[in-house]
Amino acid sequence: RKEVEQDPGPFNVPEGATVAFNCTYSNSASQSFFWYRQDCRKEPKLLMSVYSSGNEDGRFTAQLNRASQYISLLIRDSKLSDSATYLCVVNNADKLIFGTGTRLQVFP
Amino acid sequence: DAGVIQSPRHEVTEMGQEVTLRCKPISGHNSLFWYRQTMMRGLELLIYFNNNVPIDDSGMPEDRFSAKMPNASFSTLKIQPSEPRDSAVYFCASSPRDYGYTFGSGTRLTVV
Repeated sequence: RKEVEQDPGPFNVPEGATVAFNCTYSNSASQSFFWYRQDCRKEPKLLMSVYSSGNEDGRFTAQLNRASQYISLLIRDSKLSDSATYLCVVNNADKLIFGTGTRLQVFP
Repeated sequence: DAGVIQSPRHEVTEMGQEVTLRCKPISGHNSLFWYRQTMMRGLELLIYFNNNVPIDDSGMPEDRFSAKMPNASFSTLKIQPSEPRDSAVYFCASSPRDYGYTFGSGTRLTVV
């Protein structure tokens, strides 16, 4: 079983739509959690951390359920510029373990 | 700040040749990570260093791969001999004491 699992997508949504991505992780001792964004042929970049109480950054909301070992990312009012691959990331013993990513394509 | 600098950006080599990838981390970052990315397997951690010391190399695929960090501002990942299945994008990332990985632009390696 992979340490971090994501639906690869693609998710094709119109501009303005709300889209949610989910992720599960296998190591219950994982310490911290993140979402990274990766554009085509570019390096991954930190989008946001994920806190137990849930956190929001503009149109983006991240949530963590430690009991279910489940992480989510919600994007409201999708923009064309949101098209990218979203990587779920878990910190295990000071190492970041990446999911294979969920691809999002926002169309006009 | 110039960010994490990797070279070369692209490398095409013949099977059996030695390949050396280079990375300059962000000044002041005490951790450095080498990742490999392929379509099939995503981003895989190969090895990481803390204060120039290798901490975990369990992700290094086999003895053909080696990594060094002779000082705080430079690291290399070497593949000898290279094989076609090594073709991938290799990323270097650095991090300060708290989290916050910054990735370099990557080296796209093609072994023919």
